[in-house]
Amino acid sequence: NAGVTQTPKFQVLKTGQSMTLQCAQDMNHEYMSWYRQDPGMGLRLIHYSVGAGITDQGEVPNGYNVSRSTTEDFPLRLLSAAPSQTSVYFCASSSPRGGQGDTQYFGPGTRLTVL
Amino acid sequence: QKEVEQDPGPLSVPEGAIVSLNCTYSNSAFQYFMWYRQYSRKGPELLMYTYSSGNKEDGRFTAQVDKSSKYISLFIRDSQPSDSATYLCAISLSNFGNEKLTFGTGTRLTIIP
Repeated sequence: NAGVTQTPKFQVLKTGQSMTLQCAQDMNHEYMSWYRQDPGMGLRLIHYSVGAGITDQGEVPNGYNVSRSTTEDFPLRLLSAAPSQTSVYFCASSSPRGGQGDTQYFGPGTRLTVL
Repeated sequence: QKEVEQDPGPLSVPEGAIVSLNCTYSNSAFQYFMWYRQYSRKGPELLMYTYSSGNKEDGRFTAQVDKSSKYISLFIRDSQPSDSATYLCAISLSNFGNEKLTFGTGTRLTIIP
């Protein structure tokens, strides 16, 4: 299994540009989420999905859109990038069946800079 | 008040030392506690998972939870240079994989050979 994969690894955008961060998992996990990680702020939840066709907002959703058309993919869209969105973005997936050890698996991250 | 507080460090210790990493949380409803390790420019990976007060040991790592004080700790014995990473505590209300995790800000640890 490849686990959770993210593309691109690095991206530089100009203010106002749009882009999509890709996330895919091959573990048949129902739950997927997007976090951003900023110095001194820890990991903050942006959006999450409990299954195909179902998405919800996390702690910091403004400026981001998501959709979940398949179990495997959960793209994150920036419609009009702002310098405040400069961050490292992590996608994570998990199985909701519970039990010890059932927790979120993280992708390698996308480093985004908005100029 | 943040739900989870974690000393950001950085923390530098010599190889072989015992390391203690700590977090405090504010809401007694949190029941499940995790420690993630994050190497530079990598995603976090689960290191330890516990849900009860007391100690849980896994090799050189021990996770300790004191629910009465809302205090969690991670101890690393015989620390190695390969332990150099950022350690994040995380807490959740349940043990289901779809439960939201609340993370601490992370403590950056360096083990000096």
